[in-house]
Amino acid sequence: DSGVTQTPKHLITATGQRVTLRCSPRSGDLSVYWYQQSLDQGLQFLIQYYNGEERAKGNILERFSAQQFPDLHSELNLSSLELGDSALYFCASSVAGTGDTGELFFGEGSRLTVL
Amino acid sequence: DAKTTQPPSMDCAEGRAANLPCNHSTISGNEYVYWYRQIHSQGPQYIIHGLKNNETNEMASLIITEDRKSSTLILPHATLRDTAVYYCIVRPLGGGADGLTFGKGTHLIIQP
Repeated sequence: DSGVTQTPKHLITATGQRVTLRCSPRSGDLSVYWYQQSLDQGLQFLIQYYNGEERAKGNILERFSAQQFPDLHSELNLSSLELGDSALYFCASSVAGTGDTGELFFGEGSRLTVL
Repeated sequence: DAKTTQPPSMDCAEGRAANLPCNHSTISGNEYVYWYRQIHSQGPQYIIHGLKNNETNEMASLIITEDRKSSTLILPHATLRDTAVYYCIVRPLGGGADGLTFGKGTHLIIQP
């Protein structure tokens, strides 16, 4: 158990819909990362937040958005869903700042299926 | 552009040492070498990291060449449960502007 919690574990929805994926980082971790992994594809970095502020941006579509709340949990919002958005979405957290070893702790992922 | 190069796949017999190579010839002085693995559709798992000295923990050993242009991850006694995709990543300790970018990794298959 990494200590990172992602909900829901599985989600099935239709094209054009909007969904929200939630991530609770490990206790004390200030940084949250979001990744997308499509079938047989590698891990694509989407976005990173540190203590509520966006820190780094990867290949995140304009239809996707994220935020990190004051309690440090994060949400990834996916809108106008397309079939190609079907994927595993991983959240990871790290200490960041003082004591940061650079190690990321990953959740078990949210599997999104768009029909 | 990928900062690391790894073979796409490797086989290893159960009980033998698995040696996974990684080439990172453009590594910067402040960048560490990190290894993660992902067992089928599970969240990636941190294995080990190092800057220039060899490192060992309960999971593996990391050997970094003196010029830091390549490294080898060693699983001393591979088991079937070590079958996974192994990712070699270079990044500064505090992270960079591009988050943590994974390449395609090496699919290690442990044979019984």
